[in-house]
Amino acid sequence: HVQLVESGGGVVQPGRSLRLSCAASGFTFTNYGMHWVRQAPGKGLEWVALIWYDGTNRYYAASVKGRFTISRDNSKNTLSLQMNSLRADDTAVYYCARQDCASTSCFSYWGQGTLVTVSS
Amino acid sequence: SYVLIQPPSVSVAPGQTARITCGGNNIGSKSVHWYQQKPGQAPVLVVYDDRDRPSGIPERFSGSNSGNTATLTISRVEAGDEADYYCQVWHTSSVVFGGGTKLTVL
Repeated sequence: HVQLVESGGGVVQPGRSLRLSCAASGFTFTNYGMHWVRQAPGKGLEWVALIWYDGTNRYYAASVKGRFTISRDNSKNTLSLQMNSLRADDTAVYYCARQDCASTSCFSYWGQGTLVTVSS
Repeated sequence: SYVLIQPPSVSVAPGQTARITCGGNNIGSKSVHWYQQKPGQAPVLVVYDDRDRPSGIPERFSGSNSGNTATLTISRVEAGDEADYYCQVWHTSSVVFGGGTKLTVL
């Protein structure tokens, strides 16, 4: 069965960096685009980034563009999110999600999330 | 940027019908997806492409989309349906979520 398992969250000071990972299993990873979605405490869902199935294209929310980098290693079935210049408003649970629904991008599978807290 | 507007809250008695709206400019021209999220859990897709249901989602969940409003309808509401619900679309190489609606079962 499909599994997405995030790791790498924790407490980090403002301005520092953190790298999240998402280990995928139970499906052919190379066939799917992958996303990061976050949720600040008590708030709604916010899309963060997308990477195509082959890594050739990447898209970012305006709030993270230039600071975050999404990447994937298809040989290891792993999705990553490099987060630099972190700010207090980046504090959130970060989910990885598999892109389904072809061109309309729905998310049938989500990880359990990893909490990132940006605080001094 | 594209904005999706949801009511912050909807309340309904058990056994009644809940309707949660999602407003957006000409949203009827897009495919809308709906998610249910319970406290401490990841979201679950309940309706995709306006009106289709993933396997395992009860028929009580249905969707529609026309003009400037998409609607998630939950028939014969149960206590277990109490959750936050989010609409979502794909718009110019980005994903947009609505602000979310808290469904309270009275």
